[in-house]
Amino acid sequence: RKEVEQDPGPFNVPEGATVAFNCTYSNSASQSFFWYRQDCRKEPKLLMSVYSSGNEDGRFTAQLNRASQYISLLIRDSKLSDSATYLCVVRFTGRRALTFGSGTRLQVQP
Amino acid sequence: NAGVTQTPKFQVLKTGQSMTLQCAQDMNHNSMYWYRQDPGMGLRLIYYSASEGTTDKGEVPNGYNVSRLNKREFSLRLESAAPSQTSVYFCASTEGQGTNEQFFGPGTRLTVL
Repeated sequence: RKEVEQDPGPFNVPEGATVAFNCTYSNSASQSFFWYRQDCRKEPKLLMSVYSSGNEDGRFTAQLNRASQYISLLIRDSKLSDSATYLCVVRFTGRRALTFGSGTRLQVQP
Repeated sequence: NAGVTQTPKFQVLKTGQSMTLQCAQDMNHNSMYWYRQDPGMGLRLIYYSASEGTTDKGEVPNGYNVSRLNKREFSLRLESAAPSQTSVYFCASTEGQGTNEQFFGPGTRLTVL
């Protein structure tokens, strides 16, 4: 079983829709949480960090539930430009490197 | 400020050939990483270097070697390429560890025939 699991999708949604992705992690000794975005055939880029209290950046809201070991990303008012793969990323305690989920693909349609 | 650069962008090798993937960063970061990305597998860590002069194995190090030439450069070498090493390779760097953002290079698409 992977340490960080995501629904691969694809999620096909119309412009303006609200879409949510979930991610679960298996190791409770976890330190930091992130969402990265990866466009087709491009490198991953940090979208946002995820804090215990939840955090928002414009149309994007990230939440963390440590007790249930899951992270969520909510995108409101989807734009065509939001089409990408969203990677859930965890830094587990004691490890120097990040652990990546395999990503959830989002396709926003006109 | 170029960020993280990688060369080459594309490469085709025959089984048994060797090659070195180059990575450089101009952000004065201490930590550098090599990942491979395969369909449905996500990014998997091959090797990392927490600081100049140190390297450590990641999740999938077999068949690879690395060199942290200086603070800027971190190369990945395939001594005898195998078809299973066909993948997209990303180099990344970060200022420290913990909550610091990792910055990625544009990737190298490698095909081993």
